[in-house]
Amino acid sequence: GIQVEQSPPDLILQEGANSTLRCNFSDSVNNLQWFHQNPWGQLINLFYIPSGTKQNGRLSATTVATERYSLLYISSSQTTDSGVYFCAVLTGGFKTIFGAGTRLFVKA
Amino acid sequence: SQTIHQWPATLVQPVGSPLSLECTVEGTSNPNLYWYRQAAGRGLQLLFYSVGIGQISSEVPQNLSASRPQDRQFILSSKKLLLSDSGFYLCAWSPSELNIQYFGAGTRLSVL
Repeated sequence: GIQVEQSPPDLILQEGANSTLRCNFSDSVNNLQWFHQNPWGQLINLFYIPSGTKQNGRLSATTVATERYSLLYISSSQTTDSGVYFCAVLTGGFKTIFGAGTRLFVKA
Repeated sequence: SQTIHQWPATLVQPVGSPLSLECTVEGTSNPNLYWYRQAAGRGLQLLFYSVGIGQISSEVPQNLSASRPQDRQFILSSKKLLLSDSGFYLCAWSPSELNIQYFGAGTRLSVL
């Protein structure tokens, strides 16, 4: 089956710093989503981005489907950005594969 | 707007006891529904999904089962819980025409 790898696994940032999170996938995908899981466990949709680039405030994402990767950019990080960031891909049907996540801690 | 409700938020159950977790969606019709489990704070594993009433697909054979008695209701059950069933269970929905998934708040299950 498809493999989804996220890097880095852990990231510590000083407040105000920028970062790039990466998601590699091993096969063609129909769908890719980025989620933020807050410290209380709630999964929040960030982007639905099977291809192209999208921006939402300080966050932006780019998926290059032909090269099988997606990037999530966080600019001017804030302590509330802390948590775990997941990418999830859908290859066919309804089976969604999640990466292991990037755990981000933003220091004040 | 659409909302998803999941309860209870936390549950502590003895080994061998039954389980019933409920998930309901409001503000949409004929959603696709999903149950996931997250162990050790990393990675979500798809357990079941449903595209309609009474239609359940299982992704991982295990001690759990799912049912969809109504269009916007999804239930996760077990007849006898095992220690290994402990974890964080999340329900999600997506529109039937596009698989953008939205998650509930989750249930933390501890089996002791």
